Amino acid sequence: GQQLNQSPQSMFIQEGEDVSMNCTSSSIFNTWLWYKQDPGEGPVLLIALYKAGELTSNGRLTAQFGITRKDSFLNISASIPSDVGIYFCAGDDQGGSEKLVFGKGTKLTVNP
Amino acid sequence: DAGITQSPRHKVTETGTPVTLRCHQTENHRYMYWYRQDPGHGLRLIHYSYGVKDTDKGEVSDGYSVSRSKTEDFLLTLESATSSQTSVYFCAIRGQGDTQYFGPGTRLTVL
Repeated sequence: GQQLNQSPQSMFIQEGEDVSMNCTSSSIFNTWLWYKQDPGEGPVLLIALYKAGELTSNGRLTAQFGITRKDSFLNISASIPSDVGIYFCAGDDQGGSEKLVFGKGTKLTVNP
Repeated sequence: DAGITQSPRHKVTETGTPVTLRCHQTENHRYMYWYRQDPGHGLRLIHYSYGVKDTDKGEVSDGYSVSRSKTEDFLLTLESATSSQTSVYFCAIRGQGDTQYFGPGTRLTVL
């Protein structure tokens, strides 16, 4: 089935640094979602994107729906220790589909 | 908070025993999903439901069955648990605009 390529797989950064991660697909997506998962918990929705070129922020997080509709980016500015976790992208490639496609996640470690 | 609870949160069982996991939601969402999460595989869809008694298979449905007799409850059953079904199981509901909201997860260990 459809897969999303998410990169990098892991990141080790210093507190205060900015972070960027991305997801790419081989087909056009109509919706891009970004989730964060803390250890031992379920994924939590951070940002939802619905239009090509759309740029949406949630606090220090900013995500963009790529203009080609085949990619999406998530940026975290001025990272803090509580940003640690796994970030997942997900998308809908069929417009109103009942199912989502998920990336395998980017594991973020923030050193104080 | 999408009002999703899962029970049990942790379970250890033996190979060959039946296991049922429960997902309960309080907000009358039509769509509910069961995923498993394993290292290196990410989230994989097992089964989903689009209404009471309406269910369909996901990409890893072998060895699992589901039932939805009420809007608020979606049950996942492992008829005869195997060690390969050791995993973390997440329930989700579908919100607006293709979003999905996840429960806290059930950690299942099959010995």
